[in-house]
Amino acid sequence: RKEVEQDPGPFNVPEGATVAFNCTYSNSASQSFFWYRQDCRKEPKLLMSVYSSGNEDGRFTAQLNRASQYISLLIRDSKLSDSATYLCVVNRGGGFKTIFGAGTRLFVKA
Amino acid sequence: EAQVTQNPRYLITVTGKKLTVTCSQNMNHEYMSWYRQDPGLGLRQIYYSMNVEVTDKGDVPEGYKVSRKEKRNFPLILESPSPNQTSLYFCASNHQSPASTDTQYFGPGTRLTVL
Repeated sequence: RKEVEQDPGPFNVPEGATVAFNCTYSNSASQSFFWYRQDCRKEPKLLMSVYSSGNEDGRFTAQLNRASQYISLLIRDSKLSDSATYLCVVNRGGGFKTIFGAGTRLFVKA
Repeated sequence: EAQVTQNPRYLITVTGKKLTVTCSQNMNHEYMSWYRQDPGLGLRQIYYSMNVEVTDKGDVPEGYKVSRKEKRNFPLILESPSPNQTSLYFCASNHQSPASTDTQYFGPGTRLTVL
């Protein structure tokens, strides 16, 4: 079993749809959590950090549930430009070991 | 412009021929890391460095070496490359530990093929 698991996708949604991605992690010592976005085998870029209190950045909302070891990302009003792979990322080991999920592919269609 | 650079961007080589992939950052970051990305497996951490002369193994260090003689540079060395090291490699850096919310900046990637 992988330490960080994500919905494999792909998710195919129309413009304007709301889409949710889930991620689970198995190491309870994990300390910090992030969502990254990766376009077509380019470098990953930070989308947002994830906090237990939940956080929102425009159309994006991230949530962390430490008890269930579960992270989520909600995208509202999807745009064509949201088409990408979304990577769930977890840090442990004093913060220096970084574990990536395999990613969830999103296609937003007109 | 703040950036992480990697060279070469593309490399085709043969089994056993030593190679080095360079990584350099201009942001004075303490922390640097190397990853490989393979289909279905996501990015996996190879080595990381907390500062000059301080390095440690990630989850897949076998077959790789690193060094951190200067803060800005973190080269990845394959002493005797094998076909199972064919992959897309990313270097990354950020200020302090990645447990902080500081953005981890990634280089553009190096696509390596070992024949």
